[in-house]
Amino acid sequence: DGGITQSPKYLFRKEGQNVTLSCEQNLNHDAMYWYRQDPGQGLRLIYYSQIVNDFQKGDIAEGYSVSREKKESFPLTVTSAQKNPTAFYLCASRSRTGTGFEKLFFGSGTQLSVL
Amino acid sequence: DAKTTQPPSMDCAEGRAANLPCNHSTISGNEYVYWYRQIHSQGPQYIIHGLKNNETNEMASLIITEDRKSSTLILPHATLRDTAVYYCIVRVAAYGGSQGNLIFGKGTKLSVKP
Repeated sequence: DGGITQSPKYLFRKEGQNVTLSCEQNLNHDAMYWYRQDPGQGLRLIYYSQIVNDFQKGDIAEGYSVSREKKESFPLTVTSAQKNPTAFYLCASRSRTGTGFEKLFFGSGTQLSVL
Repeated sequence: DAKTTQPPSMDCAEGRAANLPCNHSTISGNEYVYWYRQIHSQGPQYIIHGLKNNETNEMASLIITEDRKSSTLILPHATLRDTAVYYCIVRVAAYGGSQGNLIFGKGTKLSVKP
């Protein structure tokens, strides 16, 4: 099936540790996104990538890093500089039509917790 | 992109229509209205979108007022599985290298009750 695959579903981080969240898509989309969601809140944009080998900071990029070496993959690293990493992380890819209509396809998310 | 205002929560009886309002009084002529929903602990899912006309698909109907300052998402026969947070988003029609992204606020938490 075509879609977005995020792994792992649950992840635990020790203090001072970097952890990497995986996001893979087989929808042949150029643009991919990482969002963070805290309980009862909306989604906040961490990083996005419009094309391979290019990415841009979103609203809350501090303490996070990404890479986009392949079209299918957009991994997110939560570094030790992110002091409050406990949250639900969502990856998405985007399709866009000639009429300017955009549609985001989301993965099932990764819940990151601090030990 | 225009801001949206939604009620934080709503209840609906199972089998009845759920009508979710959204105010977007500063919308401009080339901005789409999008609706997504997020079931607990899952990623958001696209429902429907519209520009000027009312729209209907297999999931829902979208009614946009003539002045486009507000819209209503209608789930005609709500089921327990429709319990979710519903997001109304306004975003300029995006072409080529246009910047910006869909912005998800807090949405409306819809609870469908038996």
